[in-house]
Amino acid sequence: VQLQESGPGLVKTSETLALTCTVSGGSISTYYWSWIRQPPGEGLEWIGYIDHNGGTSYNPSLKSRVTISVDTSKNQFSLKLNSVTAADTAVYYCARTPMSTYTYFDYWGQGTLVPVSS
Amino acid sequence: EIVLTQSPDFQSVTPKEKVTITCRASQSIGTSLHWYQQKPDQSPKLLIIYASQSISGVPSRFSGSGSGTDFTLTINSLEAEDAAAYYCHQSSRLPMTFGQGTRLEIK
Repeated sequence: VQLQESGPGLVKTSETLALTCTVSGGSISTYYWSWIRQPPGEGLEWIGYIDHNGGTSYNPSLKSRVTISVDTSKNQFSLKLNSVTAADTAVYYCARTPMSTYTYFDYWGQGTLVPVSS
Repeated sequence: EIVLTQSPDFQSVTPKEKVTITCRASQSIGTSLHWYQQKPDQSPKLLIIYASQSISGVPSRFSGSGSGTDFTLTINSLEAEDAAAYYCHQSSRLPMTFGQGTRLEIK
């Protein structure tokens, strides 16, 4: 299984950050799929997940600005984060949970750094 | 939100030394605690699941223990390649949270 994040390398303040995670080597129609971020030099923050039924759960700290969706035909899931500020500058990872409930992450993408700049 | 507090934040250790990293949860999480290793400029790698269950392909010198609120990651006979940051992660309750990380430096 491989996960690969893609999206614009730079986002402007107040705009929408949009990333896609392409999954290869396995079906996205099973298990749980998450977005996790890491500001430069800092720790990890779980953003949210989408499950195999299309259900979602988001971190309350970001819930008002986040949408995670899935495109099973392309074996991809996506992240949208609205109204970004410099505090949203981070490496964004997509990750898989290999169970039918939320638990550990066994496969991660390589991560993509998204700077937010005015 | 469940807060995970790791200690120490940083440790400088010599090869072959035994290392212990602790993770304390702000409330009981059973054994829904997992450990990851992150080397510079890499994504995190899963080491231990459900507090003490080993993962295929992870060296046997890595082990975990604990339940409730107190957990430990132990690295026996440290090797130079173990220089990394280590994170605990709880999946007992949403939102899932991580510890702040412990950075290991090899002398």
